[in-house]
Amino acid sequence: EDQVTQSPEALRLQEGESSSLNCSYTVSGLRGLFWYRQDPGKGPEFLFTLYSAGEEKEKERLKATLTKKESFLHITAPKPEDSATYLCAVQAGNTPLVFGKGTRLSVIA
Amino acid sequence: DGGITQSPKYLFRKEGQNVTLSCEQNLNHDAMYWYRQDPGQGLRLIYYSQIVNDFQKGDIAEGYSVSREKKESFPLTVTSAQKNPTAFYLCASSEGQAPDEKLFFGSGTQLSVL
Repeated sequence: EDQVTQSPEALRLQEGESSSLNCSYTVSGLRGLFWYRQDPGKGPEFLFTLYSAGEEKEKERLKATLTKKESFLHITAPKPEDSATYLCAVQAGNTPLVFGKGTRLSVIA
Repeated sequence: DGGITQSPKYLFRKEGQNVTLSCEQNLNHDAMYWYRQDPGQGLRLIYYSQIVNDFQKGDIAEGYSVSREKKESFPLTVTSAQKNPTAFYLCASSEGQAPDEKLFFGSGTQLSVL
């Protein structure tokens, strides 16, 4: 059974304190790993898609990386507006996305 | 502006009642999806449709029904058979039928039981 596990469940950072969120997965035939950001009471917003091990993508203070078993979302010098829940999802074969439970990030000024 | 519109934002259901959640998109996307989100849980797929007049069950389809009569519309009915319907419901779409395309989400409907 495909599984996506995100850690930690919640993370509290001081403004400017860099850290990483983890997404580990067990799927056969990975076609893509997705990162989304979700603000409270809203729908998720797309951040990145990673397709193969070794791939990296960046957007402002966020950088996503992918290995054969996990992905990291690195947050460099975060600001309070980066506070949100970050969702990881994987797609394998011809089946729809499988989502992890997310990491709730709080950045304190 | 192009996007996905879900309505209503909040919905209350009485016991034994069926309720319908609306989802409309003007992105000209082929595929549409319904997800359920419970507190502290990931998104779980209810139904999805890759083309008009066709849809498939997701992981938790029991107690729900959908239709796809028009490309831009994918309404979800929560039937009385769904005994625990309180959740945040999210509609999404993707441009093509390939499963590895990114999803665009609506702003969600919070359903509660009276």
